Amino acid sequence: EAGVAQSPRYKIIEKRQSVAFWCNPISGHATLYWYQQILGQGPKLLIQFQNNGVVDDSQLPKDRFSAERLKGVDSTLKIQPAKLEDSAVYLCASSLWPRGGNTIYFGEGSWLTVV
Amino acid sequence: RKEVEQDPGPFNVPEGATVAFNCTYSNSASQSFFWYRQDCRKEPKLLMSVYSSGNEDGRFTAQLNRASQYISLLIRDSKLSDSATYLCVVNKARTGANNLFFGTGTRLTVIP
Repeated sequence: EAGVAQSPRYKIIEKRQSVAFWCNPISGHATLYWYQQILGQGPKLLIQFQNNGVVDDSQLPKDRFSAERLKGVDSTLKIQPAKLEDSAVYLCASSLWPRGGNTIYFGEGSWLTVV
Repeated sequence: RKEVEQDPGPFNVPEGATVAFNCTYSNSASQSFFWYRQDCRKEPKLLMSVYSSGNEDGRFTAQLNRASQYISLLIRDSKLSDSATYLCVVNKARTGANNLFFGTGTRLTVIP
């Protein structure tokens, strides 16, 4: 079974530019998550979708970050304009929840460097 | 107060040693608990779930103490391949959302 797919794997941009990350979850997984992991820290949840609806975006910096999951499958996370402190790995994850267990499975991540 | 707190380490242990990690969580309503493993520059992967009665998977044993709100992971007979960061994860379910909170991770290096 295919895992969570993410692209691009690596991105370097200048501050104030924009960037977008794409995620395709495991087939059949209703819930999709975007996490931000800064070097030396644990992953921090940015936004959680159940099908195509947002169920938690309380930690998403909405002045610069946006995300969508229009058809309940793929998702895109956008940052505009980027700041230096946005340099991190952006991890997409999915889970069967609420139809199944709440274990989440991560993609390989998109590494962002803002210079 | 953080949802999940872990000692970041590093823990440097010789091959064959037994090592234990602890993790505390702040919300007594938390319902699900996990240990994830993260190798350098890789994504976190589920190591094991943690059940109320404690559970074992080969050389790995997880324990949950709800009264004291802590979780532990014991690794016996450490292997070089166990070198990684171990992330403690706690779920705080609420209506309509499955919120998993990650600790900062404990870094383990197993030395030949």
